[in-house]
Amino acid sequence: VIWMTQSPSLLSASTGDRVTISCRLSQGISSHLAWYQQKPGKAPELLIYDASTLQSGVPSRFSGSGSGTDFTLTISCLQSEDFATYYCQQYYSFPFTFGQGTRLEIK
Amino acid sequence: EVQLVESGGGLVQPGGSLRLSCAASGFSFSTYAMSWVRQAPGKGLEWVSGISGSGLDTYYAESVKGRFTISRDNSKNTLFLQMNTLRAEDTALYYCAKDKHNGGGSCYSYWGQGTLVTVSS
Repeated sequence: VIWMTQSPSLLSASTGDRVTISCRLSQGISSHLAWYQQKPGKAPELLIYDASTLQSGVPSRFSGSGSGTDFTLTISCLQSEDFATYYCQQYYSFPFTFGQGTRLEIK
Repeated sequence: EVQLVESGGGLVQPGGSLRLSCAASGFSFSTYAMSWVRQAPGKGLEWVSGISGSGLDTYYAESVKGRFTISRDNSKNTLFLQMNTLRAEDTALYYCAKDKHNGGGSCYSYWGQGTLVTVSS
């Protein structure tokens, strides 16, 4: 099983801020990593796949980087609609696993 | 338009069984692997199980192995999750999810809205 450590678990920020969320894995996964956004009462939505490829329709203020065991999601210039919970997921080997989640709240 | 509609959730006693279904439309169902992901109330996402497009390859989380069985009927564009020997810790909203890329081993580009399973006496 590939273990994932996502940090921070809670992030307080203001609109216009730049924030980063980290995802560290127990073993290398090349670039088989995705980031999802989930809002209360809604299903998750894919933001980034293959570590750094932006899903169609996702604003360019979202970006992903990293490979191997360390990955980062960056949101530049936070907008009000970005306050949500974010998850990383590895799809390199079964069982696929998710990070614990990062709740991004308004400061 | 891709649509995934889950059903079959409900209240069940510990030790009981449920069968979840996910009706898919808007894409070539048999060419995509599918998965179940669950989310306990107020908690994070947990990958549960996955199945290849043909249905020949199946995968499970350790927490459900031996109790849950994933299957699919490609003639009816439907994904299933048979859940046996249910425990209180299986209480969650169960989502079905479609692989972004065909061929398996992919992230999920579409999710259903989920079906709630509550295990309680």
